[in-house]
Amino acid sequence: QVQLQESGPGLVKPSQTLSLTCTVSGGSISSGGYYWSWFRQHTGEGLEWIGYIYNSGSTYYNPSLKSRVTISVDTFKNQCSLKVTSVTDADTAMYYCAGQIMVPHSAAFDVWGQGTMVTVSS
Amino acid sequence: QSALTQPPSASGSPGHSVTISCTGASSDVGGFQYVSWYQQHPGKAPKLMIYEVSKRPSGVPDRFSGSKSANTASLTVSGLQAEDEADYYCTSSAGGNTLLFGGGTKLTVL
Repeated sequence: QVQLQESGPGLVKPSQTLSLTCTVSGGSISSGGYYWSWFRQHTGEGLEWIGYIYNSGSTYYNPSLKSRVTISVDTFKNQCSLKVTSVTDADTAMYYCAGQIMVPHSAAFDVWGQGTMVTVSS
Repeated sequence: QSALTQPPSASGSPGHSVTISCTGASSDVGGFQYVSWYQQHPGKAPKLMIYEVSKRPSGVPDRFSGSKSANTASLTVSGLQAEDEADYYCTSSAGGNTLLFGGGTKLTVL
């Protein structure tokens, strides 16, 4: 059973880069057909899609964040990473990683991490 | 890209049914069979309840069903139970391999 765990600094200074890692257990991140995605949720608000990476390395991003976001996969470490540059208060949120495991090519994500809270503050 | 439109709240009594709508455009909901619904309890990660408009992942009760007509998708929860009280979010492909979310609907079981 695939499980995901996000990790990274809980506090990031304005203008710096937010870096988070999602560690995959119970399966290989490079198994065929898997999509890996990042989402975020501002406190008390709805979900926002950040972007996803297909196991071939193709990446797709939310147009509103595209210029600041990079998603990558490290197959050796079995991890998916998110980087958001030039952060501001507006990037303060709970960040979730998710995988498309049993619902291939569906634009849906059936396995989620528990989330990690990131606060942008000096 | 505009967010999909969901009612902010919905409610129903135990044992009854409730339907939550998700309205988009021909460029997203109306143009793709890739509408999904997520359930989120407070402090928890989202859980996939419906994908590809009407399919249920393994383990999701058949009390949850999805449908779509033109630019509006719907999630129906039948035989409401107390544990169904949660926030529900719809998503849709929006072309260019992008995803749009609805603003979420808070479902209250009376």
